[in-house]
Amino acid sequence: QKEVEQDPGPLSVPEGAIVSLNCTYSNSAFQYFMWYRQYSRKGPELLMYTYSSGNKEDGRFTAQVDKSSKYISLFIRDSQPSDSATYLCAMSATSNFGNEKLTFGTGTRLTIIP
Amino acid sequence: ETGVTQSPTHLIKTRGQQVTLRCSSQSGHNTVSWYQQALGQGPQFIFQYYREEENGRGNFPPRFSGLQFPNYSSELNVNALELDDSALYLCASRPGQGRETQYFGPGTRLLVL
Repeated sequence: QKEVEQDPGPLSVPEGAIVSLNCTYSNSAFQYFMWYRQYSRKGPELLMYTYSSGNKEDGRFTAQVDKSSKYISLFIRDSQPSDSATYLCAMSATSNFGNEKLTFGTGTRLTIIP
Repeated sequence: ETGVTQSPTHLIKTRGQQVTLRCSSQSGHNTVSWYQQALGQGPQFIFQYYREEENGRGNFPPRFSGLQFPNYSSELNVNALELDDSALYLCASRPGQGRETQYFGPGTRLLVL
């Protein structure tokens, strides 16, 4: 079983819709949670970074973390065609020096249809 | 733009060959990590360097090695290339060793034939 599970999609929604992206994880040591956006032929770009359970909002993006269920979500409101990309969840454990590696999900490919 | 550059952008090698990929980080970024991203997968952690010393490694064999230089550049070397090494190789840098944002480069796409 992978440490981080993410539905690979693809997911297609009409412009203006609310998008929900999700990841589950099995490692209780994960304390830091991130969402990255990756456009085709580009490196991942950090969208959201959260530490504690609860919600964090940044513009049209809301990240939600539920540590008790080992479940994280990213919501995109008023989706735009420019949001079409692959979305990767990533996690990091509180750990000793030298082990701040990110463990990624497989990524969900999202297409916003104009 | 993240200020992290990688070269070359694309590379084709044959099985058994050796390859060197390069990364140039932002000035002041003392930590660099390398990731391998196979097609349709998320990035997998290869290793991390801090001030020219390797200080973290993922589940990759010793034929994957690296170097970090004082001028904020770094290299990933892969010996005895295998077909499964075909992937996008990403480097990511950050100022220190804490939880700051990691800035990813655009990657080098390696194809092994």
